[in-house]
Amino acid sequence: TQLLEQSPQFLSIQEGENLTVYCNSSSVFSSLQWYRQEPGEGPVLLVTVVTGGEVKKLKRLTFQFGDARKDSSLHITAAQPGDTGLYLCAATGGNYGGSQGNLIFGKGTKLSVKP
Amino acid sequence: DTGVSQNPRHKITKRGQNVTFRCDPISEHNRLYWYRQTLGQGPEFLTYFQNEAQLEKSRLLSDRFSAERPKGSFSTLEIQRTEQGDSAMYLCASSFRGTVSYEQYFGPGTRLTVT
Repeated sequence: TQLLEQSPQFLSIQEGENLTVYCNSSSVFSSLQWYRQEPGEGPVLLVTVVTGGEVKKLKRLTFQFGDARKDSSLHITAAQPGDTGLYLCAATGGNYGGSQGNLIFGKGTKLSVKP
Repeated sequence: DTGVSQNPRHKITKRGQNVTFRCDPISEHNRLYWYRQTLGQGPEFLTYFQNEAQLEKSRLLSDRFSAERPKGSFSTLEIQRTEQGDSAMYLCASSFRGTVSYEQYFGPGTRLTVT
């Protein structure tokens, strides 16, 4: 059973469209991170959210942490081909019995933005 | 220091051989993590160090795997008697325990192929 469920798994859209990807869990977490990964490279940190209900904006990207700190969403406005990549959510400090020392990752959403 | 570095970037080895990977973290970071990522999956935690102390090891880290961080700076991950199932991307990350301690910064990874 995957602790962090990401949806959709794959998303292919045209340039200029908006999209939202989701990260859900039954566990409560202290913090949640979103990363973007390109093929053959390591994940790059986009944002960290720690407070229930928190919303953070990074240019055209809007991140939200659920009130109960169990879920998160990433919304991209007017997607561009440069947004193409694998979007991973990762969390730590949860009540799932894990430690504070490592991140639990979802499987990711593979986004393709066509020009 | 501009980020986490890993060497080599790619390694092809024959089954049964030993391999060693190196990770150089961001210089002021005192925590260092190893993850493994297979195709279609998010990274999975292997082990982490705080300074030179190895604080946690995953059940994924079989006795063929050993990691060291002798002086609290760079780290090595050795796999003995490699198996085809060890083929994966091995990622290193570092963080500073003090501020937003759950923010981990990843290196580019070492892609291991066992033939």
